[in-house]
Amino acid sequence: DQQVKQNSPSLSVQEGRISILNCDYTNSMFDYFLWYKKYPAEGPTFLISISSIKDKNEDGRFTVFLNKSAKHLSLHIVPSQPGDSAVYFCAAILRDDKIIFGKGTRLHILP
Amino acid sequence: DAMVIQNPRYQVTQFGKPVTLSCSQTLNHNVMYWYQQKSSQAPKLLFHYYDKDFNNEADTPDNFQSRRPNTSFCFLDIRSPGLGDAAMYLCATSRRGAGSGETQYFGPGTRLLVL
Repeated sequence: DQQVKQNSPSLSVQEGRISILNCDYTNSMFDYFLWYKKYPAEGPTFLISISSIKDKNEDGRFTVFLNKSAKHLSLHIVPSQPGDSAVYFCAAILRDDKIIFGKGTRLHILP
Repeated sequence: DAMVIQNPRYQVTQFGKPVTLSCSQTLNHNVMYWYQQKSSQAPKLLFHYYDKDFNNEADTPDNFQSRRPNTSFCFLDIRSPGLGDAAMYLCATSRRGAGSGETQYFGPGTRLLVL
């Protein structure tokens, strides 16, 4: 039973436009949500996080929105750049230190 | 640069032959994690150490063991690898436990092939 779901395996976006990556979750006990970015042959690297008590967190071109009633979060990247092409993982953390990842979404930024 | 190092990047073993994957960190973090990631799947937590305290996930097979002899090193031992254990194995660290919302720093992973 997947508690963290990224339903889009891949997404293509034109350079300069907004990229929106989505993530749904089923457990209302998650305390934090994080987004990781992964390039081929490298480990995931942390991008941005949000506490379950907030609904938005912004860091430069990256903004994460949390909709608790819908159990949905999204990562917005604007403007999208070629270096943003990567796999993006959504992850959720329970209070007992358990972290659960989604399967990832591969983002392609088109020239 | 402070980092998480995994060696080797690729490991080939034979069916049933024990194999050890290694992870080291220069971040001096308290927590070290081992994940298994199969193709097109989410990384799955196998276990983690908070200092010397070992925390096994309930569904981690007994075939997988771990050792953390000191703060810097953590090993993943697969006692009798099966074909289904072929995967990318990711090591990660964090200063405090994941429940504090702290990010984890990942190594590049070791891809295990089982012949």
